[in-house]
Amino acid sequence: GAVVSQHPSWVICKSGTSVKIECRSLDFQATTMFWYRQFPKQSLMLMATSNEGSKATYEQGVEKDKFLINHASLTLSTLTVTSAHPEDSSFYICSARDIQLYTDTQYFGPGTRLTVL
Amino acid sequence: GENVEQHPSTLSVQEGDSAVIKCTYSDSASNYFPWYKQELGKRPQLIIDIRSNVGEKKDQRIAVTLNKTAKHFSLHITETQPEDSAVYFCAASTNTGNQFYFGTGTSLTVIP
Repeated sequence: GAVVSQHPSWVICKSGTSVKIECRSLDFQATTMFWYRQFPKQSLMLMATSNEGSKATYEQGVEKDKFLINHASLTLSTLTVTSAHPEDSSFYICSARDIQLYTDTQYFGPGTRLTVL
Repeated sequence: GENVEQHPSTLSVQEGDSAVIKCTYSDSASNYFPWYKQELGKRPQLIIDIRSNVGEKKDQRIAVTLNKTAKHFSLHITETQPEDSAVYFCAASTNTGNQFYFGTGTSLTVIP
């Protein structure tokens, strides 16, 4: 149980285009999902907290107009990188909490590697 | 906000020896401390966690200790094996929002 998927697993796009990344909880419901960014050999940096049915909460320094987050259902959150530029190239990972388990544990998706040319 | 520091950044041990990774946190409201193991190109996997009402927790070869007064917690791996080689991250979280703030990671290499 507690499986989180992400799609796509990797994407290459041209500078100026927008890219949407999906995060799904496959066998549980998640009122809260989290989006992280990870550079090579570095830690996971929390970008935003995605709440089902409400606006996402962004960490300081993260541009909300640049990284659009939508959490329309209890099993799906999306991150859209708008007008992507090479500096947005990174590994993006989502995580989710299982509301049924009454636990703080977060289950991570496999990540999406974004390369902007 | 919360600031989590982790040491060392790299650690090499001989197979069979013990490995210890230490983390400190700044927010006294933090009350949940998970440890994750991440292999290259893969997702982080929870290996053990501890709550602030407990001082120590053990699961086979892995143990975590917490000192709330000093605001630090440590991961202990005994009888290390080559498959323990990975990057380990500590994190801290509070009840409010439940965001995880991660340490900078420790790259552990177990030498056969």
